Amino acid sequence: DTGVSQNPRHKITKRGQNVTFRCDPISEHNRLYWYRQTLGQGPEFLTYFQNEAQLEKSRLLSDRFSAERPKGSFSTLEIQRTEQGDSAMYLCAIPEPETQYFGPGTRLLVL
Amino acid sequence: SQKIEQNSEALNIQEGKTATLTCNYTNYSPAYLQWYRQDPGRGPVFLLLIRENEKEKRKERLKVTFDTTLKQSLFHITASQPADSATYLCALEGGSSASKIIFGSGTRLSIRP
Repeated sequence: DTGVSQNPRHKITKRGQNVTFRCDPISEHNRLYWYRQTLGQGPEFLTYFQNEAQLEKSRLLSDRFSAERPKGSFSTLEIQRTEQGDSAMYLCAIPEPETQYFGPGTRLLVL
Repeated sequence: SQKIEQNSEALNIQEGKTATLTCNYTNYSPAYLQWYRQDPGRGPVFLLLIRENEKEKRKERLKVTFDTTLKQSLFHITASQPADSATYLCALEGGSSASKIIFGSGTRLSIRP
C-alpha cells in the first residue's frame, strides 16, 4: 500500500447507480494505472495515464467506465449504470523502476 | 493466446518447511517476471523481480528461479512461518509501451503452526 491511497475503501450500491472512486498518489508520478480484481483472480489491467493523458484502455473498460486524471496527480474512475458484474476490487498503481506500488483498493459490491 | 498459470489449489505447508509455488506461462517472451504478495482486502505488494537473463534471485528467505526454456518460474519460501500465509501472484511485463503488468490468478499459501 506504500505511496498510494484510495477512497472509498468499500462501496455498496444498487444496480443502475453511478459510482466514483478516487486514487491519490502520495508523491508525483508521471504514470498511473487502474486494475480490476475479481475473487480468485489476479488484477486485470484497465487503463493507464501518462500525466493527464489516458494512453491505453483495456477491452474490459466498457463505455460505462470513464477515468480521468485532470491535473496529472490524482485520478478518478467512474462507473455509470452499475451492473452486478462490476462487483470487484478496483486497484490503482503507480510504477517505479521494475515494480508497481498498489493502493489498498476500493471494493465495490453491486446489489 | 497469452496465458499465465499458477496452481489454483491452495498450498498448505507445515511451519518450518519450504514452500514452493509454480508459475507457468505460454506465448510470452517476457523481459522480466515478478512475484507479489497479497493479503485479504489489500493491494498486492512487490516481492522480487527476476530478469530473463537471470537464473535465480534471492532475498532473505525468498528464492525465485526463472527458466525461459521451460517458460516457468518457481518461488520458494524457506523456513516458512504462519506470517507467510497469503496469496502469491506471479506477474509478467505486458510487452507493450504501456509497461503494464499481466498477473496470474495467484496461489493461496497457508502455513500451519
